[in-house]
Amino acid sequence: EVQLVQSGAEVKKSGESLRISCKGSGYSFTTYWISWVRQMPGKGLEWMGRIDPSDSYTNYNPSFQGHVTISADKSSSTASLRWSSLKASDTAIYYCARHSSHGNPFDDPWGQGTLVTVSS
Amino acid sequence: ETVLTQSPDTLSVSPGERATLSCRASQSVSTKLAWYQQKPGQAPRLLMYGASTRATGIPARFSGSGSGTDFTLTINSLQSEDFAVYYCQQYNDWYSFGQGTKLDIK
Repeated sequence: EVQLVQSGAEVKKSGESLRISCKGSGYSFTTYWISWVRQMPGKGLEWMGRIDPSDSYTNYNPSFQGHVTISADKSSSTASLRWSSLKASDTAIYYCARHSSHGNPFDDPWGQGTLVTVSS
Repeated sequence: ETVLTQSPDTLSVSPGERATLSCRASQSVSTKLAWYQQKPGQAPRLLMYGASTRATGIPARFSGSGSGTDFTLTINSLQSEDFAVYYCQQYNDWYSFGQGTKLDIK
């Protein structure tokens, strides 16, 4: 069974750093890209960026470039999303999703989501 | 960047009736258009890809059409479990989502 299991909810303060994770299982982790998607409270979905776990090559939505870092560890089949300095506006649910390289939709299932709450 | 605009923002339909949701792209995405369903507290679920191909396990009452810049998701004989938020996504020019259409019970 394919699964993407994300790390638990986080409560942080502005300026703090944070890393959340997404562990894949039930498939070959290096044969699918992982994307991260933000959903701010009561709002829609925004694509943040993607990583190819086979070589850790990344692409970012320009709106998120420079504010987050996406990485992957093949040995643990885990992708990560990291902030070095959180803002209150980073409060959101973050989802990971897998897809077959460029030009393909996001497969089911997505990760269950990680709620990040940042207080000022 | 390809911007997707969904209409309407909210659609109220009675169970058993048909719902028609629209998605317009700011530039052609060919047929690289997917639809997702999201229920409260859940991750999105893939319904349709390639504009008109149902994903695995999706009932036949869901259908999709369109190409280029104009797309439609039709849900026939609405069931209680279909009331949710629906997003279109283009995957022709990296990725972007529409703002969503909330389908609620009339």
